[in-house]
Order: sequence, then C-alpha cells, then structure tokens
Amino acid sequence: EAQVTQNPRYLITVTGKKLTVTCSQNMNHEYMSWYRQDPGLGLRQIYYSMNVEVTDKGDVPEGYKVSRKEKRNFPLILESPSPNQTSLYFCASSLAGRTYEQYFGPGTRLTVT
Amino acid sequence: KQEVTQIPAALSVPEGENLVLNCSFTDSAIYNLQWFRQDPGKGLTSLLLIQSSQREQTSGRLNASLDKSSGRSTLYIAASQPGDSATYLCAVRPNLEGSARQLTFGSGTQLTVLP
Repeated sequence: EAQVTQNPRYLITVTGKKLTVTCSQNMNHEYMSWYRQDPGLGLRQIYYSMNVEVTDKGDVPEGYKVSRKEKRNFPLILESPSPNQTSLYFCASSLAGRTYEQYFGPGTRLTVT
Repeated sequence: KQEVTQIPAALSVPEGENLVLNCSFTDSAIYNLQWFRQDPGKGLTSLLLIQSSQREQTSGRLNASLDKSSGRSTLYIAASQPGDSATYLCAVRPNLEGSARQLTFGSGTQLTVLP
C-alpha cells in the first residue's frame, strides 16, 4: 500500500530535549515536505526537499533541522524544543513534477512542556 | 506575501443541505488552487485541483469554483451527509517556477453535518 508513515504519532517532551520525528514513504517520491498546523493558522511549511541531499527552507524553519540522506526518509529534528513548537506536524511526499498530488502522513502531535 | 482566508471557521448543518465553503487569497498570481479534506488522526486528502486557467472542477457531489481576478474560490457540497464532517482546507500554489511553487494553506473550515 502506498503510504507516508510518521513516528511517533504522539509525543510529550520537555524543553531542550532533542527529538527526531521520522517520515518515510514507499512511493519512490523525489519531493518531501514538513508542515506544522496550529489553530487558526492553517498548515505552514517548515522545510522541503526536492531530492536526496537537496533541502530548502519553507515559511517557518527556525528551530528545526532536516536531512535527506535517503530518498524514502525525511526526518525532522528539533535540537532544543521549546513550548512554541507544540503543534501538529505533517509530512508529505510527491513526485517531483506533481506536487499537487502530495500524499500526507497521518500527523504527529507534539507537546513540549 | 500570499494570505489565504477561509470563512466561516466552523459550520454546522443538518443532513441533506447544500452548502458552500469560502476561500479567499490576496495575491491573484496563482498557479493553481487545491481543496483538501482533513479527518482527525489522519493526513490530508486532496479533493479537487483547479488550474489558474480553469473556472471550476467537479467530483461527485463536490464542485469547486475559482475566480482568480477577485481572489476567491468556493467549494460547493451537494446533499451533505454525516460522512462529510471534516475540516476542509484551501491552498494556493504561486505562479513561480520550479521549487518556489510551494503551497500556502488557509486555516480551514470545520464542517459538522448533523444526522
């Protein structure tokens, strides 16, 4: 089954404790992206990647890092999480020329206390 | 900077009603506009995609229209059903080349269809 998976689905952590949210897709997609969703603000893009070793900042990259060492994986790293990073995070992927056909993961709800 | 607004933020209707969800955007230089559905605990599902040259798209009971010059789109849902209850998101893609063509989302309309 074609899908985008995220782990963990739920995470409660404390300020400053490094964490990684994994994203994996099995569709051989070149394009992958991370979004965060906050009440009243819609989805905002954090980082995206057009292919392996090619990443770029989205609208709200501060406090986040990403890497794209393999085509199927696009982990989101929070080196020193803060309470304002409490949010619902989505990973998405698509073929390079078809970003209008993005497949979204189920979301990761992160709470930073 | 593009801004996308969706009104109302929440809507509750009885089953069977026809309804309209609104989306407005500030920069009319868009490549396309997309409507998504979001269910709790699940990712987004694309419903309809309208290219900038198109006026509307239809899929089953859904019809989306686009008026690029006025910066507006509507999603019409006919004969609503409880299974239509979800959050509906509108997103626009700028008329820029290549990797700059990233989506800007509205904050969504939470729809509840009452049996």
